[in-house]
Amino acid sequence: EVQLVESGGGLVKPGGSLRLSCAASGFTFSSYSMNWVRQAPGKGLEWVSSISGSGSYIYYADSVKGRFTISRDNAKNSLYLQINSLRAEDTAVYYCARAKYDSLGLDVWGQGTTVTVSS
Amino acid sequence: QSVLTQPPSASGTPGQRVTISCSGSTSNIGTNTVNWYQQLPGTAPKLLIYSNNQRPSGVPDRFSGSKSGTSASLAISGLQSEDEADYYCAAWDDSLDGGVFGGGTKLTVL
Repeated sequence: EVQLVESGGGLVKPGGSLRLSCAASGFTFSSYSMNWVRQAPGKGLEWVSSISGSGSYIYYADSVKGRFTISRDNAKNSLYLQINSLRAEDTAVYYCARAKYDSLGLDVWGQGTTVTVSS
Repeated sequence: QSVLTQPPSASGTPGQRVTISCSGSTSNIGTNTVNWYQQLPGTAPKLLIYSNNQRPSGVPDRFSGSKSGTSASLAISGLQSEDEADYYCAAWDDSLDGGVFGGGTKLTVL
C-alpha cells in the first residue's frame, strides 16, 4: 500500500525549531518529487516546498525561504522539513505529498502533523 | 490574498451541475497545468483533476476540469451530498518559482 506518514510536530515557542519527517512506503521513493503543503487553522492550503527525486532541485515559498530547509534520504525512504525561527503564523497542519503528475499533481498525501507556535 | 482566485463559496441541489472557477495569470495557469483537490472536513486533500482535465483512477466521471487562457474550471455534475467539501485549484508559478493554491471554494449541497 502506498503510504506517507508524517511525524515531528508539536508545540514550540516563537523562535524555536522543529524537524518534521515523512516516512514513505509502497513505492519507489527516489522516483518522485516530494512536497510539503501546510494549512493554518480554518484557512486554505499553502504550498511550502518541493524537492526533486534526486534532491538536486529544491524550491521554497517566499514565506518560508531562509527559515525552512527541505531534504530527503532516499536510502531511508524519508522526507524532512527543518523549520527554524518559528513564528505564530507558521502554526498549521503540515502535509507531505507525492508529486506524480507534473509539479503540483499531488496524488498521495500523508495524514498531516500539527505544528503550534505559541509562548 | 491567494495568487489563484476562487469564489469562496458555491452551492447546488442534488442532481444539479455546479462549476467552480479559478483565475490566475500568464505565469501560472497561462503556462502550466492546473490541478484540483477536494478536501472533506478533517481529512487530507485528495487529487481530483490533474493536468487540467485528467482524472486519477477512482475519481468519478461526474468531475471534470477545463482550462482556457489564464483561467480554469472544475465542473461537478449530478451533485451528491457527499460532494460537500472544500475545493482547491493549484498550479506551478514560473515567476514565483513555486507552487500556488487558490483560496478554496466551500461547496454546499442544499
